[in-house]
Amino acid sequence: KQEVTQIPAALSVPEGENLVLNCSFTDSAIYNLQWFRQDPGKGLTSLLLIQSSQREQTSGRLNASLDKSSGRSTLYIAASQPGDSATYLCAVLDNYGQNFVFGPGTRLSVLP
Amino acid sequence: GAGVSQTPSNKVTEKGKYVELRCDPISGHTALYWYRQSLGQGPEFLIYFQGTGAADDSGLPNDRFFAVRPEGSVSTLKIQRTERGDSAVYLCASSPGVGNAYEQYFGPGTRLTVT
Repeated sequence: KQEVTQIPAALSVPEGENLVLNCSFTDSAIYNLQWFRQDPGKGLTSLLLIQSSQREQTSGRLNASLDKSSGRSTLYIAASQPGDSATYLCAVLDNYGQNFVFGPGTRLSVLP
Repeated sequence: GAGVSQTPSNKVTEKGKYVELRCDPISGHTALYWYRQSLGQGPEFLIYFQGTGAADDSGLPNDRFFAVRPEGSVSTLKIQRTERGDSAVYLCASSPGVGNAYEQYFGPGTRLTVT
């Protein structure tokens, strides 16, 4: 059964810092991996999707990488801003079904 | 265009009652997913539709939970004899198709509280 973990569980940084969020999954047989942002009391907003054949994706200040063989993905946020404060979730779409398995999330606070 | 919408946004019900939660996917999206999210945790898969049929319902916790999508668009998640442990945010997502290139787009969720 696929399991997804995220480290750290929470992170607090001053504005302007570059930071890395980590996601690990136990079964490397995945279709894709998606990073989401969730604001308190809100639904999920898709940030980046990496297909299984890809190594990384970039959008603005965000860069996500995928290493299937080691079961890891990282989300890099450059020049963090207070508006980046949210919970970041990673999810993998595995080869055995058509549903996502989510990690528990990393709660990020960017202090002005 | 319009995103995924869910109604109601909040639902408070008494233990033992029946509830229905509605999801309107993005127009034209063939795949629809239901998830449940408890406080401090990531969403947990419940059921997935491709068109009108439930392609995978392995995440439904027991037979009190049921979902339909009769016309391949709107979906309703139905919970019978609600229990306090059913309290959570129920999220719906839709996708243009199935496969590794398709993102899931989420609605704002319905917060269910069973008293």
